[in-house]
Amino acid sequence: NAGVTQTPKFQVLKTGQSMTLQCAQDMNHEYMSWYRQDPGMGLRLIHYSVGAGITDQGEVPNGYNVSRSTTEDFPLRLLSAAPSQTSVYFCASSYSVRGLRDEKLFFGSGTQLSVL
Amino acid sequence: TQLLEQSPQFLSIQEGENLTVYCNSSSVFSSLQWYRQEPGEGPVLLVTVVTGGEVKKLKRLTFQFGDARKDSSLHITAAQPGDTGLYLCAGGTSGSRLTFGEGTQLTVNP
Repeated sequence: NAGVTQTPKFQVLKTGQSMTLQCAQDMNHEYMSWYRQDPGMGLRLIHYSVGAGITDQGEVPNGYNVSRSTTEDFPLRLLSAAPSQTSVYFCASSYSVRGLRDEKLFFGSGTQLSVL
Repeated sequence: TQLLEQSPQFLSIQEGENLTVYCNSSSVFSSLQWYRQEPGEGPVLLVTVVTGGEVKKLKRLTFQFGDARKDSSLHITAAQPGDTGLYLCAGGTSGSRLTFGEGTQLTVNP
C-alpha cells in the first residue's frame, strides 16, 4: 500500500509559470485535500474534495485550481506562479467525509515549491 | 475563522524532562486531533479526542481535551530524543475541514 503519493518532491518555478502538483491515493478515500505549510502559520487548507466531481474552496484558495475526475487523483494547479506561493504543499486524504471529525487524515510527504 | 493557538512555539529540553504543549481557541470544536511531523515528511496522527474532559494516553504521551472543548494539552513524560518533531493540533467541526494550529517545534537533546 503506497498511501498518499505526491510528485514532484521539489520544484523551482519562475514567476508567471504554471505547473501541476500531483496527488494520488490508493486507499479508496472519499475525502482529499490540499494544504500549504508556511513557517509559524501551521497548515492552511487550499481546496478539498468530498468525492469525484466535487470540489470546494478552503481557507486560501486564490491562485490555485483543482479538479477531481477520479477517486484516486486530486491535482493542484498553479496557473501563474507568484513568489507568495513559495511553500511546502501537502495532500491529505481521509476515508469518510461524514465522519471527518473522527477520521484520520493521511498525508503525503509534501512538495517543496520555490517561486523566484 | 476558527483559530487555534499553540504554545510554546519552540521548546528545547534535555532527555528525561517532562513537558506540556497547549492548544487553545475561543471556539468550540467537535474533536481535537494531535499530529507529529518529522522533517521532510507529512504529519502523522497521534490521537483524536472528542469528548469534553477526555484523557487519552499513548505510552509516555497524555492528551487531554478541555471540558468546554475549546482547548487541549499534550504532556510528555520523560522525553526522549525520538520525541523530537513538530507537534500540531487540529480542531474539527461538523463540516469537512480541520483547522490547524501553528505547531510546536520540540527538540529533545540527549
